[in-house]
Amino acid sequence: DQQVKQNSPSLSVQEGRISILNCDYTNSMFDYFLWYKKYPAEGPTFLISISSIKDKNEDGRFTVFLNKSAKHLSLHIVPSQPGDSAVYFCAAKSGGYQKVTFGTGTKLQVIP
Amino acid sequence: DTEVTQTPKHLVMGMTNKKSLKCEQHMGHRAMYWYKQKAKKPPELMFVYSYEKLSINESVPSRFSPECPNSSLLNLHLHALQPEDSALYLCASSQIGQGDLAEQYFGPGTRLTVT
Repeated sequence: DQQVKQNSPSLSVQEGRISILNCDYTNSMFDYFLWYKKYPAEGPTFLISISSIKDKNEDGRFTVFLNKSAKHLSLHIVPSQPGDSAVYFCAAKSGGYQKVTFGTGTKLQVIP
Repeated sequence: DTEVTQTPKHLVMGMTNKKSLKCEQHMGHRAMYWYKQKAKKPPELMFVYSYEKLSINESVPSRFSPECPNSSLLNLHLHALQPEDSALYLCASSQIGQGDLAEQYFGPGTRLTVT
């Protein structure tokens, strides 16, 4: 049972344009959401997060939006840069429980 | 220091071998994790240690045996593995708590091949 899903396995975007990566979840107990970026042969790197009490969090070129009623979140990257090309994982957790559930990942390619 | 280190980077072992993976962090984090990642799949949680005690075991086969000797070190002992256990093994650490305390810092992983 995949509780966190990223329905687009891949996405191609031109440099300078906006990249939008989507994530859906089914577990209503999730109250904290994270995005990780992963390059080949490296561990995931934390990018940005959002608490369920917010609907938007921004950090530089990265913004995460949360729609709790739709159980949907998205990551916006503006402007996209070639160095952003990587696999992006959405992740979620609930309360103080240490387990983080990862989505299936979206491979982003930013074309120069 | 926001680094999680893992050794070795690569490991090839036979099905009858015994080997260990090592992970170290010096961020004062009191939660440490082992994940397994197969190609084109998300990281899959195996074990969580909280305050040096095993708090989560995701029904991992006993041929994988974790150990947390102290708050900075995490080991994964491997014995009698199968070829399907070949994967990238990731270690992570975090503070313990809610919200942004959940942010996990990952090591670069150990690429394990079982022959």
